[in-house]
Amino acid sequence: QSALTQPRSVSGSPGQSVTISCTGTSNDVGGYEYVSWYQQHPGTAPKLLISDVSQRPSGVPDRFSGSKSGNTASLTISGLQAEDEADYYCCSYAGFYTFEVIFGGGTKLTVL
Amino acid sequence: QLQLQESGAGLVKPSESLSLTCTVSGGSISSSNFYWGWIRQPPGKGLEWIGSVYYSGTTYYNPSLKGRVTVSVDTSKNQFSLDLTSVTAADTAVYYCARQMGVSYSIFDYWGQGTLVTVSS
Repeated sequence: QSALTQPRSVSGSPGQSVTISCTGTSNDVGGYEYVSWYQQHPGTAPKLLISDVSQRPSGVPDRFSGSKSGNTASLTISGLQAEDEADYYCCSYAGFYTFEVIFGGGTKLTVL
Repeated sequence: QLQLQESGAGLVKPSESLSLTCTVSGGSISSSNFYWGWIRQPPGKGLEWIGSVYYSGTTYYNPSLKGRVTVSVDTSKNQFSLDLTSVTAADTAVYYCARQMGVSYSIFDYWGQGTLVTVSS
């Protein structure tokens, strides 16, 4: 399975909203409600932001939201803050042929 | 609070084997709701799932690494391990261990801090 497709970079000004897309196939993103999103600041481990397409774990601000349409999942960050500048990765279960987990290539978010 | 900590050699020679252990504290590795996974990140690149193990010993591997990778579990020590054989420079990466939710397998909710493994002679 190839990596899920994400834009290399996105940017926005403080207070604005940005959306990061994650495109896969019917064998992964489109086939299951098992898409997660991770935030990674430089030099640190990834942090779970969204699970099961749109569920926010405890402690994650409601500025972060997830959705899915067909083979594309999306992460929307509203009310951008400086600390949101980080790398974001989507992740999906891809078990159609065999148990597999695949990540997106990552998106660098720059807060202008 | 669950904590995971990777340990192992930071420098491995090409063609040799990479071995890492993840020690879990603050919770039991024998919980029926979770798998335990390894994820790696080459310098400046994205994340790659390597493989996962259930406390019973059931394992799943990334097909691109199958044949070179073994993930095992030691419930008596609350640890799980990664062995990767015949390494090359392409295996140089930060290696993370993480707890993985059962059923929704894309959820890695607790992560170790990561350990850099460099493959070089």
